[in-house]
Amino acid sequence: EAQVTQNPRYLITVTGKKLTVTCSQNMNHEYMSWYRQDPGLGLRQIYYSMNVEVTDKGDVPEGYKVSRKEKRNFPLILESPSPNQTSLYFCASRQGSRTGELFFGEGSRLTVL
Amino acid sequence: AQSVTQPDIHITVSEGASLELRCNYSYGATPYLFWYVQSPGQGLQLLLKYFSGDTLVQGIKGFEAEFKRSQSSFNLRKPSVHWSDAAEYFCAVGPIVSNFGNEKLTFGTGTRLTIIP
Repeated sequence: EAQVTQNPRYLITVTGKKLTVTCSQNMNHEYMSWYRQDPGLGLRQIYYSMNVEVTDKGDVPEGYKVSRKEKRNFPLILESPSPNQTSLYFCASRQGSRTGELFFGEGSRLTVL
Repeated sequence: AQSVTQPDIHITVSEGASLELRCNYSYGATPYLFWYVQSPGQGLQLLLKYFSGDTLVQGIKGFEAEFKRSQSSFNLRKPSVHWSDAAEYFCAVGPIVSNFGNEKLTFGTGTRLTIIP
């Protein structure tokens, strides 16, 4: 089954404790992206990757890092989480064409205390 | 820069009634337009998309949307809603020309749909 898998789905952590949210897709997609969803703000792009070893900032990259060492994986790293990073995070992937459908993971709800 | 406005934060309709969710976009040329649905606890799923051609597009689950260039709108419609349609709906616009390689979608803030029996 074609899917984007995120882990963990739910996480409560404390300020400053490094964490990683993993994202894996099994569709051989080149393009992958991270979004955060906040009430009243919709989805905002954090980082994206056009292909292996090609990543760049989206609209709200501060406080986040990513890597793309393999085509299928695109982890989101919070080196020193802060309460303003409490949010619902989505990973998405797409085949190369910009007209293609974005496939989303089920989301990771992160709470930073 | 492209932008998307969904003016209705929350809409409540009766089961069996018709539905229209509004979406307005701002973009310099004809954009790619999408509607996504997010069911509770789930990720987003594509309902339909418009790139060119016929301005009335059909999607999954009985939804359709109409592109109106003169109004910069891409409203989503369904003739008769079902209780399972309760969800959050997002309109999104994509770029025609790649912006430094980031062909991202810009999402609206979403419309939450509640269905009453």
